[in-house]
Amino acid sequence: GAVVSQHPSRVICKSGTSVKIECRSLDFQATTMFWYRQFPKQSLMLMATSNEGSKATYEQGVEKDKFLINHASLTLSTLTVTSAHPEDSSFYICSARSRLAGGYNEQFFGPGTRLTVL
Amino acid sequence: RKEVEQDPGPFNVPEGATVAFNCTYSNSASQSFFWYRQDCRKEPKLLMSVYSSGNEDGRFTAQLNRASQYISLLIRDSKLSDSATYLCVVNNAGGTSYGKLTFGQGTILTVHP
Repeated sequence: GAVVSQHPSRVICKSGTSVKIECRSLDFQATTMFWYRQFPKQSLMLMATSNEGSKATYEQGVEKDKFLINHASLTLSTLTVTSAHPEDSSFYICSARSRLAGGYNEQFFGPGTRLTVL
Repeated sequence: RKEVEQDPGPFNVPEGATVAFNCTYSNSASQSFFWYRQDCRKEPKLLMSVYSSGNEDGRFTAQLNRASQYISLLIRDSKLSDSATYLCVVNNAGGTSYGKLTFGQGTILTVHP
């Protein structure tokens, strides 16, 4: 299957700093990338949908000014957690959907980034 | 009501056992259905899609009942390596929801010797 990478895999930062997470589709072009967050013992919750060259669409309750998403190319999307606080500590996972015509295009998930805010 | 509901378990079964997971979804316009597997502290990985006619992949059998909005996964002859969290996932219909995956909270399976 297609490969999606995320960087960094783990980050520990102080409260108030900003953290950037990169999501790359390595062997395919992704029309759409999705950002999820998973708290311990909970399921993945979609934060936002990102289409290349346009503004991201955020889910209800997700602050767009706090979670900045940039999807500058068909292979790269970034999520910046601005002014991170301990409650932002979570497992952030991106997924990328391939650029295929028709039907359901499978989403391929990155390995996730574990963010710990002290 | 959650969009996708699963029994969180945990299910603890011996090797060789047969185990079944159930899932219900609330959006009748949902188009596609999947079971994903997630190992501890890892990303989810697609296990199998679920079709209305039911489908099988080796020891795994998935069923979909659109009328009841119910999805199931059956694992036969459980292996130790089947231990994981199994996520019921629904893909929504068109409009702004198109392509969005909604995840259930997952069912934890532990297979012991």
